[in-house]
Amino acid sequence: QVTLRESGPALVKPTQTLTLTCTFSGFSLTTTGMCVSWVRQPPGKALEWLARIDWDDDTYYNTSLKTRLTISKDTSKNQVVLTMTNMDPVDTTTYYCARIRSKSPAVAEFGLDYWGPGTLVTVSS
Amino acid sequence: DIQMTQSPASLSASVGDRVTITCRASRTINIYLNWYRQKPGKAPELLIYAASSLQGGVPSRFSGSESGTDFTLTISSLQPEDFATYYCQQSYDIPYTFGQGTKVQI
Repeated sequence: QVTLRESGPALVKPTQTLTLTCTFSGFSLTTTGMCVSWVRQPPGKALEWLARIDWDDDTYYNTSLKTRLTISKDTSKNQVVLTMTNMDPVDTTTYYCARIRSKSPAVAEFGLDYWGPGTLVTVSS
Repeated sequence: DIQMTQSPASLSASVGDRVTITCRASRTINIYLNWYRQKPGKAPELLIYAASSLQGGVPSRFSGSESGTDFTLTISSLQPEDFATYYCQQSYDIPYTFGQGTKVQI
């Protein structure tokens, strides 16, 4: 059974760095083709894809946020960590992590098939 | 970035209705178009991947099709649990991009 769960601070101040952790089970990021992505969604708005990390350590980022994002993994703990620097009130949103199975670099042939429940992060002083 | 244009933004329907939602990509995405359903306060759930493949456990009333850069999600007989927001997403090119969503309401 595949599960993912996001964790991190509910409140951060402007200019601070946000660190979110995705803890998963039911698959391994050492298995060929396994990847994890982060997606966010402001209240009442559409989904926005942020980043992806692959079993072979390849990483991909949203073009517009690339300078602020870092994604990494700890395979021994079954965790993926996303950091976002210089947080702003517009970054107040729910953050999701999701699993991807991939056959080709950068492509997600099978979509984002399992999602965590999400974690709401508010940016406010 | 590839732009995904989804329509309509919202629609009203009744239980048992046939519902169609469309998504157009700004350039070729091969078949790598996915559809998600999101209920209020919940994470999205994958319904269709690669334009027309039904995700395991998803009811057969959901189907997808493609014609070039145009993609369609069809719900053959709307059920009460289908009143939700639907998103398309291309997963062919980085950054993955989503449509703006279609809210299906009574």
